[in-house]
Amino acid sequence: GESVGLHLPTLSVQEGDNSIINCAYSNSASDYFIWYKQESGKGPQFIIDIRSNMDKRQGQRVTVLLNKTVKHLSLQIAATQPGDSAVYFCAETFGDGLTFGKGTHLIIQP
Amino acid sequence: DAGITQSPRHKVTETGTPVTLRCHQTENHRYMYWYRQDPGHGLRLIHYSYGVKDTDKGEVSDGYSVSRSKTEDFLLTLESATSSQTSVYFCAISELMLNTEAFFGQGTRLTVV
Repeated sequence: GESVGLHLPTLSVQEGDNSIINCAYSNSASDYFIWYKQESGKGPQFIIDIRSNMDKRQGQRVTVLLNKTVKHLSLQIAATQPGDSAVYFCAETFGDGLTFGKGTHLIIQP
Repeated sequence: DAGITQSPRHKVTETGTPVTLRCHQTENHRYMYWYRQDPGHGLRLIHYSYGVKDTDKGEVSDGYSVSRSKTEDFLLTLESATSSQTSVYFCAISELMLNTEAFFGQGTRLTVV
């Protein structure tokens, strides 16, 4: 089965609020993690990545947190905007290619 | 989309017919990948290439073959399409090792009837 998964299939947030999308992984040997955003009808788009020797990494309005103790990854989006509406995937790698979770659909309420 | 073009973007084909999907990149990246995306399964790796004429199987390679005769082109072939191969297919490229950031194309929606 999948070694990477997401806790919630759908997340609904108010515009302007912060969003937190969670991901659990099962392979403790995974050493690199990526968050992708996929808008309807498009391919996944890289958002941010983090290596296993880090706990936190920040980008523009996004932060990824890695908790290796409980094998948990999260993506925080600050001041969520309508353009953030998409499906978000986490992906891990410990060998060939990337293993993706099933995705969380982020819905922005006006 | 990082200079990645997939063709065709949509295709409907009959069971048992051969189908070839093409991925073309202008980034001169070494690594190329084919994924399929299905509801409830996310993205799964079919085959990948680490150089011209160098390819290997991914998680769901049965029923698929690939070829890479030039750096810029990676072809995915379904020798005899089945309904279970109805899916959205994505090509991806990466510059460095397999386990680094990959850029994706727009996808090809394939329907096998």
